[in-house]
Amino acid sequence: SQQGEEDPQALSIQEGENATMNCSYKTSINNLQWYRQNSGRGLVHLILIRSNEREKHSGRLRVTLDTSKKSSSLLITASRAADTASYFCATDAIKAAGNKLTFGGGTRVLVKP
Amino acid sequence: GAGVSQTPSNKVTEKGKYVELRCDPISGHTALYWYRQSLGQGPEFLIYFQGTGAADDSGLPNDRFFAVRPEGSVSTLKIQRTERGDSAVYLCASSLDRGGGYTFGSGTRLTVV
Repeated sequence: SQQGEEDPQALSIQEGENATMNCSYKTSINNLQWYRQNSGRGLVHLILIRSNEREKHSGRLRVTLDTSKKSSSLLITASRAADTASYFCATDAIKAAGNKLTFGGGTRVLVKP
Repeated sequence: GAGVSQTPSNKVTEKGKYVELRCDPISGHTALYWYRQSLGQGPEFLIYFQGTGAADDSGLPNDRFFAVRPEGSVSTLKIQRTERGDSAVYLCASSLDRGGGYTFGSGTRLTVV
């Protein structure tokens, strides 16, 4: 089963625009992570936000977390063609064993040059 | 090694055959995870190892699937009597102790014909 659900499922923007995608989840978490995947192969870890944090930045990425609404958002500013990829949120649930992550279905982002 | 290595990168097998997929995690990462990803979906959890033992195998779909990690480093995912529905990309990841991000391998694309 997938804990996180991303919205929208797909997003098409022009280079230079901002891209925003959202993730909702169901259970209490230790942290929430965002990953990027190119060409359907290995995922790359982008950013981790802990349950006691509300906002985090990394380069052109900005992540917010609202634990009361069980939701997170990922903002990519000044997008580039190289940002074209699928983006997944993943949650580390409090009751999960070890560091097991549950992934959402992903948002497919197309950045047009 | 520098990253998580998965072999083979592609595997085509006939229905009913047995396959083994190998994962070589980052040296020193005690936690190892197997996920399966179907086209257009997010990764689905299969099994998690902490050291040599399977800490959580709740994601294995049935008893045709089995995984081992005998020396606490390399892991092998074994699938018996393969079915066409087993076709997917099998992803392996490793991490340090709880609370960190995963490092994923590039995956093995399994096609059962």
